[in-house]
Amino acid sequence: EVQLLESGGALVQPGGSLRLSCAASRFTFTNYAMTWVRQAPGKGLEWVSSISDGDNTYYADSVKGRFTISRDNSKNTLYLLMNSLRAEDTGLYYCAKRSGSSSGHFDSWGQGTLVTVSS
Amino acid sequence: EIVMTQSPATLSVSPGEGATLSCRASQTVNSNLVWYQQKPGQAPRLLIYDVSTRATGIPARFSGSGSGTEFTLTISSLQSEDFAFYYCQQYNSWPLTFGGGTKVEIK
Repeated sequence: EVQLLESGGALVQPGGSLRLSCAASRFTFTNYAMTWVRQAPGKGLEWVSSISDGDNTYYADSVKGRFTISRDNSKNTLYLLMNSLRAEDTGLYYCAKRSGSSSGHFDSWGQGTLVTVSS
Repeated sequence: EIVMTQSPATLSVSPGEGATLSCRASQTVNSNLVWYQQKPGQAPRLLIYDVSTRATGIPARFSGSGSGTEFTLTISSLQSEDFAFYYCQQYNSWPLTFGGGTKVEIK
């Protein structure tokens, strides 16, 4: 069974930075696109960013220019570097595996890591 | 951006009854439509993808239908474990977008 383990969430001040990690196992990481999805407290799901197997990257307008998604295939790890954080970035950040190399639905999810942006 | 609209926001159903959840896209998403289930304190779980294909391990009481811009998730006879939030999502074009969710609660 696919395993995705997020880490790196923390309390950070507005304007600060944070790097999230997602350690993947039990599947061939290099073959699949990966995604970050977030959920603000008591709210619905919001797509944040995706990266293909070939390192093509995509971002929601709300994070474009502030967040950077990347992957290290040698470590089977997905990253999300978040800069210039705002209160509205607060939420649970999920790592998810896409069903294909560049597209498709999210067929496996991690348990999430909590990011709180507050002074 | 494709806007996904789910209705109703809350559905009150008695155990054993059926439930019908709707999802509408602001433009066609072809067959690139998925449904997730989320219970409080848990990550979302894949239910149905490509409009109507059940994910591994999902009971047959869950079914999906629709095309283009109008989609439906049907739960034929609700079990206690089915009371949860349900989200639709399109993966036809960027940005990927979710519906606002439907809460299925016990009546």
